Amino acid sequence: AQSVTQPDIHITVSEGASLELRCNYSYGATPYLFWYVQSPGQGLQLLLKYFSGDTLVQGIKGFEAEFKRSQSSFNLRKPSVHWSDAAEYFCAVGAFNQGGKLIFGQGTELSVKP
Amino acid sequence: GAVVSQHPSWVICKSGTSVKIECRSLDFQATTMFWYRQFPKQSLMLMATSNEGSKATYEQGVEKDKFLINHASLTLSTLTVTSAHPEDSSFYICSARVQRETEAFFGQGTRLTVV
Repeated sequence: AQSVTQPDIHITVSEGASLELRCNYSYGATPYLFWYVQSPGQGLQLLLKYFSGDTLVQGIKGFEAEFKRSQSSFNLRKPSVHWSDAAEYFCAVGAFNQGGKLIFGQGTELSVKP
Repeated sequence: GAVVSQHPSWVICKSGTSVKIECRSLDFQATTMFWYRQFPKQSLMLMATSNEGSKATYEQGVEKDKFLINHASLTLSTLTVTSAHPEDSSFYICSARVQRETEAFFGQGTRLTVV
């Protein structure tokens, strides 16, 4: 079955500290992988995406993610977190042959301590 | 980047009434639009996929007679929640995709509260 797992429901980090949000997927086709961020009551903003090529992808706001096929993972990282990064983060997977629809993980809520 | 606009941003309706949510692609033609539902503190669940000019494809467990989807043009899809009940209260988000593109762009969402 196709699924996306974000093992951490809630993470708290101190401002300036590094961050890693985990994402594991199970997908039969060649996956396209996405990370989105959602502020309360808002829609989704795309942070970065992986379709093919270099497995380390750079996104907006200083985020990056690494695709590891052997581990079926696509973890999101940021070297130094800012207070404004506090939000809900969703990992999603899709495939072109699925018509573009996405399967989302459960989300990880990030809190940032001053 | 491509812009997808949802209207309204929030709506309150009485039980038993119907409410329509619009999803528009403002600067591109969307051959496919997706409707998702998000309960508080939960993830997004795909409800249906709509292709312009054809009937929507609903995910398992989604009542097509309750959640009517129309995709009459390449820039507009609508979701109508019929005979709304309090349990339909949720955050509804649409996304739109250009044919043969891999990325879909999301609207800002609509908060529906049924009282």
